[in-house]
Amino acid sequence: KAGVTQTPRYLIKTRGQQVTLSCSPISGHRSVSWYQQTPGQGLQFLFEYFSETQRNKGNFPGRFSGRQFSNSRSEMNVSTLELGDSALYLCASSLVQTRTGELFFGEGSRLTVL
Amino acid sequence: DQQVKQNSPSLSVQEGRISILNCDYTNSMFDYFLWYKKYPAEGPTFLISISSIKDKNEDGRFTVFLNKSAKHLSLHIVPSQPGDSAVYFCAASYNNNDMRFGAGTRLTVKP
Repeated sequence: KAGVTQTPRYLIKTRGQQVTLSCSPISGHRSVSWYQQTPGQGLQFLFEYFSETQRNKGNFPGRFSGRQFSNSRSEMNVSTLELGDSALYLCASSLVQTRTGELFFGEGSRLTVL
Repeated sequence: DQQVKQNSPSLSVQEGRISILNCDYTNSMFDYFLWYKKYPAEGPTFLISISSIKDKNEDGRFTVFLNKSAKHLSLHIVPSQPGDSAVYFCAASYNNNDMRFGAGTRLTVKP
């Protein structure tokens, strides 16, 4: 059974640009969550999608957005990139939309903003 | 608003000894707690969880203890092995809300 796949794994952008990250969940998983990991801050929750609907959203500015497709694949977009957006972006999927369910994480997309 | 806190950024123990990783939370609504382990260049993987109706859950060498009155949980690893060296994240959730993670503790187990 394939795991959670995130693309691209690494990318470098400059301030002001925008970026789109992709996440393919484990087959059959309908819930996809996105997290930002920075040193000292742990995993900061961005948003969660279930059946193409955003269910929860963290405390991030509107520059961060996402969507989920009918096949459960998800994308997140960051517009007008800032230096502070440099981080590892992790996607996690779970079988159902429950907070007692185990999350399965991808390897992440490491974004560097210059 | 850091609702889940791991105040020790790092911990070093000798192989065979006990590793104790601590986690505090501020939101009394949390009713489910999890620990994840993360190796470099990999995503976090689920390790063990505990519901708020319990105060202890054990899985092999790993035991999680929950003290609701103190809003504190801990992960015990006995005996510690070099392969346990990783970053450990504590996480908490309630109802249908997002899972909140701590900043992580880097565990190093020395041979």
